[in-house]
Amino acid sequence: AQKITQTQPGMFVQEKEAVTLDCTYDTSDQSYGLFWYKQPSSGEMIFLIYQGSYDEQNATEGRYSLNFQKARKSANLVISASQLGDSAMYFCAMREGRGDYKLSFGAGTTVTVRA
Amino acid sequence: ETGVTQTPRHLVMGMTNKKSLKCEQHLGHNAMYWYKQSAKKPLELMFVYNFKEQTENNSVPSRFSPECPNSSHLFLHLHTLQPEDSALYLCASSPGPQTATYEQYFGPGTRLTVT
Repeated sequence: AQKITQTQPGMFVQEKEAVTLDCTYDTSDQSYGLFWYKQPSSGEMIFLIYQGSYDEQNATEGRYSLNFQKARKSANLVISASQLGDSAMYFCAMREGRGDYKLSFGAGTTVTVRA
Repeated sequence: ETGVTQTPRHLVMGMTNKKSLKCEQHLGHNAMYWYKQSAKKPLELMFVYNFKEQTENNSVPSRFSPECPNSSHLFLHLHTLQPEDSALYLCASSPGPQTATYEQYFGPGTRLTVT
């Protein structure tokens, strides 16, 4: 079964607007971590933000925030004030359990920012 | 050099060739990973090394042979590949399972084309 589901293959957003990228996950572990990565056309995967399953506050990093809804098993990424440089592929990933460092990735969402 | 570097960035090889991909991390991390990224598929974990020891082989065909001589270097030796092996090969490193978040840092990838 798919552990990470990203249902939006592609999105368009106007410059300076906010965009929300959906991610749902499936795990029976109590301890897990959720990650978002950005992949520009150059190919490199850039780590954006992390949310631990026991973290009570939603994670924020600059213009990135993670809307963590544990009961719904949802970890959506919000990018505020979109910039042209935000155009890229975005991947949601999950690490399950303690002491296990493998990541499961979703299929990704392509974001295109329009001027 | 900083972060995670990979060479070569692009590689075209015939099915009978032997080539190697190189990855080097300058982050002092203990764990290193090889991923395969094919078009329209999620990232696939291939191998994991922790403190130079292979801890994961995700049912990868034997025509892919990893080597980790030390915690900073990781190689992927390729021989008698198939056209379906054409993909972006990404290397990553992380502090290892002794840390709390285990976020992985990626290199820019090697775009491999098998003819």
